[in-house]
Amino acid sequence: DAKTTQPNSMESNEEEPVHLPCNHSTISGTDYIHWYRQLPSQGPEYVIHGLTSNVNNRMASLAIAEDRKSSTLILHRATLRDAAVYYCILMNYGGSQGNLIFGKGTKLSVKP
Amino acid sequence: DSGVTQTPKHLITATGQRVTLRCSPRSGDLSVYWYQQSLDQGLQFLIQYYNGEERAKGNILERFSAQQFPDLHSELNLSSLELGDSALYFCASSVDRGVAGELFFGEGSRLTVL
Repeated sequence: DAKTTQPNSMESNEEEPVHLPCNHSTISGTDYIHWYRQLPSQGPEYVIHGLTSNVNNRMASLAIAEDRKSSTLILHRATLRDAAVYYCILMNYGGSQGNLIFGKGTKLSVKP
Repeated sequence: DSGVTQTPKHLITATGQRVTLRCSPRSGDLSVYWYQQSLDQGLQFLIQYYNGEERAKGNILERFSAQQFPDLHSELNLSSLELGDSALYFCASSVDRGVAGELFFGEGSRLTVL
């Protein structure tokens, strides 16, 4: 499986935008980019995913570089509830292994 | 609430014992996944079942086994427990066999082996 690289930690102020980067230079053409987050004492929670085009949903936006070797998860207005570990994961859809390989993720702290 | 139910939430047992963790997937989801999260290893994929059949295996020890029943609930059996098996065990479910979409995780079962 292709690997991803994320910063260990980031800080943000409440109500400001947050850009969480992810590098995946060995991504293959059929790898989807998934983002999950894990709030303290909870199970991981799906945030967003995409293949080539930028994606938006009610939680966040995903900006994918044209060469797909990097992507950025954008939280438009951080809230205290967004403090969590954010995981960027590559998944080859339809492969025999329908599992997600979690790395160490980025721990996001949000200051009031 | 993800719709995935895991029991028990907490479990304390001794080394050498055997425990069973239970997972009820979201209604309509055919795939069930088991993950282990420990402080030093992070989230590790253990095994996946799809509609009763094993579909993928990850870092699952031979002392561990799982199954998915006809009603689609799943059980993870951990035997000959060691101190290092202390961890959070998460179950997740999804509609499809692949993971192009979303996985829904339960709140986990915290296992403490003394």
